[in-house]
Amino acid sequence: GQQVMQIPQYQHVQEGEDFTTYCNSSTTLSNIQWYKQRPGGHPVFLIQLVKSGEVKKQKRLTFQFGEAKKNSSLHITATQTTDVGTYFCAERDSNYQLIWGAGTKLIIKP
Amino acid sequence: EADIYQTPRYLVIGTGKKITLECSQTMGHDKMYWYQQDPGMELHLIHYSYGVNSTEKGDLSSESTVSRIRTEHFPLTLESARPSHTSQYLCASSPGQFYGYTFGSGTRLTVV
Repeated sequence: GQQVMQIPQYQHVQEGEDFTTYCNSSTTLSNIQWYKQRPGGHPVFLIQLVKSGEVKKQKRLTFQFGEAKKNSSLHITATQTTDVGTYFCAERDSNYQLIWGAGTKLIIKP
Repeated sequence: EADIYQTPRYLVIGTGKKITLECSQTMGHDKMYWYQQDPGMELHLIHYSYGVNSTEKGDLSSESTVSRIRTEHFPLTLESARPSHTSQYLCASSPGQFYGYTFGSGTRLTVV
């Protein structure tokens, strides 16, 4: 069935370093969504990408949708402690239900 | 303020008990969802609804039921709680198929 692969599972960074998480699909996507979940919290919707090659920015966060609409990435520039959490991508299946990636945990090294 | 509410926030219950987790939203969203999530792990869809009197099963539906009698209310019932049900249960809603989900704060269930 349709799957979305998200890597890496964890990323440890020093505060001020950059962070990137990637999602790859076996099929062409109609759109992809990104969510952030703080430790002990619930997922919060960040953005939806729809167009091939689309790039959107939210302050230090940059979201990209691949030209072939089979992959997407989230890049955070100069991480801060407020960025700590798990970042999930999610794509729609043929029934319009979201299929979730396993998430990438952003951990700031002490 | 439009929002989505889940109660209780925490619940500890004995094995074999029947429990209902409540979820209500004030945004008028037609689509509502229940997910199970172990801490820091991926989300698993339990049930979803496209509107009043519409309910569908997700991947983990076999031991639970839902109802959707009113647009704003989507309760989840576990007929007989087991320790394997210990997890966080998240309710979400969406105005349509091409919009993001708004999640409630979750219910953390522990079955002893």
